[in-house]
Amino acid sequence: NAGVMQNPRHLVRRRGQEARLRCSPMKGHSHVYWYRQLPEEGLKFMVYLQKENIIDESGMPKERFSAEFPKEGPSILRIQQVVRGDSAAYFCASSPGRKATDTQYFGPGTRLTVL
Amino acid sequence: LAKTTQPISMDSYEGQEVNITCSHNNIATNDYITWYQQFPSQGPRFIIQGYKTKVTNEVASLFIPADRKSSTLSLPRVSLSDTAVYYCLVGNTDKLIFGTGTRLQVFP
Repeated sequence: NAGVMQNPRHLVRRRGQEARLRCSPMKGHSHVYWYRQLPEEGLKFMVYLQKENIIDESGMPKERFSAEFPKEGPSILRIQQVVRGDSAAYFCASSPGRKATDTQYFGPGTRLTVL
Repeated sequence: LAKTTQPISMDSYEGQEVNITCSHNNIATNDYITWYQQFPSQGPRFIIQGYKTKVTNEVASLFIPADRKSSTLSLPRVSLSDTAVYYCLVGNTDKLIFGTGTRLQVFP
């Protein structure tokens, strides 16, 4: 059973470009979470999605950031018109349910560098 | 969600037992205590979760006193590969809140 997959692992963008991050959850998991981690800090929750639905986006910046989890295919976190402050590691996690006792399994992350 | 406090860093030597204590004075009745491990350039990995008393798995033990205001992650006989950041999380929802964690350095 493959784990959570994320691609690309590293992404370099210039200011103003778009960044598109992909996450394929573990087989059988329909709950996907995105987190952002700045250097030397803990992970910060961004958004929680189930298939085709955004359930909680309370941690997502109001502008330039969007997320989707289509019926078919991976979940995508999109950052438009990137700025230097968007440089961070972005982690995706999936779980079989959304209870506190449902373990979240994390992917290896995408490291975004904005030049 | 309860705020957690844990040491910024700890040092140990191979073969020793390491205990990392986390304080969560404002823990709610229905909160669980969960520990994650994170290696450099990797995503966090679930270690153990508990509600009260003691929980043990193949990797670690988690000790939770009766008042639940703190918890201790115990790693038996650490090796160099246990060098990582360890996060203590407290909550009752799926929205995980990570602090800055404890950076454990294991020396030969």
